[in-house]
Amino acid sequence: AQKVTQAQTEISVVEKEDVTLDCVYETRDTTYYLFWYKQPPSGELVFLIRRNSFDEQNEISGRYSWNFQKSTSSFNFTITASQVVDSAVYFCALSTRSGNTGKLIFGQGTTLQVKP
Amino acid sequence: DTGVSQDPRHKITKRGQNVTFRCDPISEHNRLYWYRQTLGQGPEFLTYFQNEAQLEKSRLLSDRFSAERPKGSFSTLEIQRTEQGDSAMYLCASSSPVVWGTGANVLTFGAGSRLTVL
Repeated sequence: AQKVTQAQTEISVVEKEDVTLDCVYETRDTTYYLFWYKQPPSGELVFLIRRNSFDEQNEISGRYSWNFQKSTSSFNFTITASQVVDSAVYFCALSTRSGNTGKLIFGQGTTLQVKP
Repeated sequence: DTGVSQDPRHKITKRGQNVTFRCDPISEHNRLYWYRQTLGQGPEFLTYFQNEAQLEKSRLLSDRFSAERPKGSFSTLEIQRTEQGDSAMYLCASSSPVVWGTGANVLTFGAGSRLTVL
């Protein structure tokens, strides 16, 4: 079975605080990709990052960073010095090689509220 | 390219009516996906096309749902005899062919079509 779990339903922080969004995944495939998407109030899912199962290097992009750990099946997302514009729902997603469909399996999402 | 377009953005209908949603993907993308998202949940996969061929359907896609992509370009999702449980956001996404190893399967999503069944 393939599954993505985002245990944090809602997180509220004050601007400039750092915040980490957790993501735990399950799959028996050895070849897979992990994704993070952002869904602002407008509703459109915006792609943030993709990592493949063979690359455990952490990645940093500006205020965003991602920590991929296969040993714990986790792919956590940290926003440093959060801003009000970061307020959105964030989804972690999994795509496996099985069936070669390219479809994404999403977690339930974490709603992040950044207060000024 | 203007991205993935969906129409209408909002649809309110009465139970029992039929509704149809349209999705125009990014022109060079041959894969097209439909997802359903209910309040407070992540998107759930419904079906996908490679060119005009519908290659997979989720068990969430009951007999009242039908999707088409007649010329491998735009797609339609029709819901017949709508029920209140069909109220949701219907998301369309498109992507380039999946090439494992290069990760060319980033899905680009449209803004969605929100359905409210009264």
